[in-house]
Amino acid sequence: SQQGEEDPQALSIQEGENATMNCSYKTSINNLQWYRQNSGRGLVHLILIRSNEREKHSGRLRVTLDTSKKSSSLLITASRAADTASYFCATDATSGSARQLTFGSGTQLTVLP
Amino acid sequence: DAGITQSPRHKVTETGTPVTLRCHQTENHRYMYWYRQDPGHGLRLIHYSYGVKDTDKGEVSDGYSVSRSKTEDFLLTLESATSSQTSVYFCAISERRVGANLTPLHFGNGTRLTVT
Repeated sequence: SQQGEEDPQALSIQEGENATMNCSYKTSINNLQWYRQNSGRGLVHLILIRSNEREKHSGRLRVTLDTSKKSSSLLITASRAADTASYFCATDATSGSARQLTFGSGTQLTVLP
Repeated sequence: DAGITQSPRHKVTETGTPVTLRCHQTENHRYMYWYRQDPGHGLRLIHYSYGVKDTDKGEVSDGYSVSRSKTEDFLLTLESATSSQTSVYFCAISERRVGANLTPLHFGNGTRLTVT
């Protein structure tokens, strides 16, 4: 079962606008990660936020985490055509004898030039 | 990209045939993972390895087996491929176990498998 669910499933914006994607999850987490996937490629790690953090920045990326609502958001400011990709949140979860990352189904972001 | 190579990149096979996908890493990372990606499901963990000859099942392990005889290689085998196993398969690696020291995953570029 999926731990994280992204919203919206698809987002289309103009270059220069901000893009916000949301992620909701079900169980307690230690940290939440965001990944990007360009078409035909593997996922690339963007940013990690710990459960005791509320906000984190990396370049044009801003991630927030609300553990009381079990939700996170990824904001991409001043978007560029090169930001066109799918974005996934991932939460750690215990399964069997080890912890693994569980991924949501992703948000497809299209940035129009 | 981290030093992860998946082979083959594309494969078409018939139902009932065995298929082996290979993941090769040059990072000397201890942990290796196989995920499958399907529309509407995101990525789902099939199997993972926490060392040579040490493997465990993930969320969707039925119909799959794995082997890791060397640190750098992690093989995923479909003993008798079915159409439901048509998917894109991703290998990932991590230096430390997920949840420990906040380690991220590094992914290969995937193998697109079609079972006809």
